[in-house]
Amino acid sequence: QSALTQPASVSGSPGQSITISCTGTSSDAGTYNLVSWYQHHPGKAPNLMIYEVNKRPSWVSNRFSGSKSGNAASLTISGLQAEDEADYYCCSYTSGNTVVFGPGTKVTVL
Amino acid sequence: QVQLQQGGAGLLKPSETLSLSCTVYGGSISGYFWSWIRQAPGKGLEWIGEINHRGSANYNPSLKSRVTLSVDTSKNQFSLKVRYVTAADTGVYYCARLYISGPPTAASLDVWGQGTSVVVSS
Repeated sequence: QSALTQPASVSGSPGQSITISCTGTSSDAGTYNLVSWYQHHPGKAPNLMIYEVNKRPSWVSNRFSGSKSGNAASLTISGLQAEDEADYYCCSYTSGNTVVFGPGTKVTVL
Repeated sequence: QVQLQQGGAGLLKPSETLSLSCTVYGGSISGYFWSWIRQAPGKGLEWIGEINHRGSANYNPSLKSRVTLSVDTSKNQFSLKVRYVTAADTGVYYCARLYISGPPTAASLDVWGQGTSVVVSS
């Protein structure tokens, strides 16, 4: 099982922009548009925020955006708000037909 | 709007078998893969496996020897069994719809169940 890497924590003040990185390999994050991002508030089910690298579900604010370069993907939150404080996970489908999650990044709004 | 309703026992003793189900409402179980994901206390998300309506399944290699996924299309339901549980299997278990397109060229977990808390304790 391959592993994705993420920073353990990222913080920012309200209104600022933050970026969370996710680095994988050519067998997962580097393959096609297989990267997705999830927001997870404690006690709730995870919520899909970005799919196919940079697409937003209809229920997600346009303050959230995704990108990818090579084997690395990124999630950017613009105009940071208190409600954005949560854990964020990147995720990729792999060439071995499995799913792998990153370790998660705790976002703190200062 | 598709919704997933989880069911199953949440308190187990070591060496017992964990059994959870997930019923799909508002849509068909056909045409998608269906996954199980868990989160141990203080840890991140861990993918357990996926299964489609035909019963074709893929598993996390680290859990494959103890896990079985199954599907019952007549009930629009899929299930998870984990044998010989230990305290390390304690956590919240989620079912989710895995939308896959292409060979695949894109995949995401777009609908999630509410989560079931499982505690393994003697």
